[in-house]
Amino acid sequence: GAVVSQHPSWVICKSGTSVKIECRSLDFQATTMFWYRQFPKQSLMLMATSNEGSKATYEQGVEKDKFLINHASLTLSTLTVTSAHPEDSSFYICSARGVSSNQPQHFGDGTRLSIL
Amino acid sequence: AQSVTQPDIHITVSEGASLELRCNYSYGATPYLFWYVQSPGQGLQLLLKYFSGDTLVQGIKGFEAEFKRSQSSFNLRKPSVHWSDAAEYFCAVAPASGTYKYIFGTGTRLKVLA
Repeated sequence: GAVVSQHPSWVICKSGTSVKIECRSLDFQATTMFWYRQFPKQSLMLMATSNEGSKATYEQGVEKDKFLINHASLTLSTLTVTSAHPEDSSFYICSARGVSSNQPQHFGDGTRLSIL
Repeated sequence: AQSVTQPDIHITVSEGASLELRCNYSYGATPYLFWYVQSPGQGLQLLLKYFSGDTLVQGIKGFEAEFKRSQSSFNLRKPSVHWSDAAEYFCAVAPASGTYKYIFGTGTRLKVLA
């Protein structure tokens, strides 16, 4: 149980395009989803926290106009990297947690984003 | 300030040997505690978690961890390591209420020698 699906797993696109990454909780309802960025050989950096039906809360230093987050349902959150540039290339990981209090975060398999 | 420390960046063990990965935290109150494992190019898989109760927690893949309040530690152990255990291991803490945002340690990369 507690499976989180993240799609796509790998995307390459030209500079200036926008890229959407989906994060789905397959077998549970996720009131809260998190988006992380991970640089090579480093830990995860939290970008934003999203709660279903409300605006995402961004961490300090994360551009909310660059990284658009939508959490329209209890099973789906999306991250859109707008007007992507090479410096946005990274590994992006989402996680989701269920509705009850004692719930860990369950992680997707990540998306490798490469901007040419 | 709240923080999680994993003192060992790299650990190398022989297959079949025992393993202990250290995790220390600095937090205002007893948080929730977690260990995750990450294989290259993959997301994180939950190994085990501690919310309350018995301080010795059993997880998947033969791992266990012990919460020691007096030492603010949550060390991960495995009695006999398998080559497939080679990966990056992250300790994380989260508040017992509210946002449940994680604070991650910097990770420990485990190498297993055949």
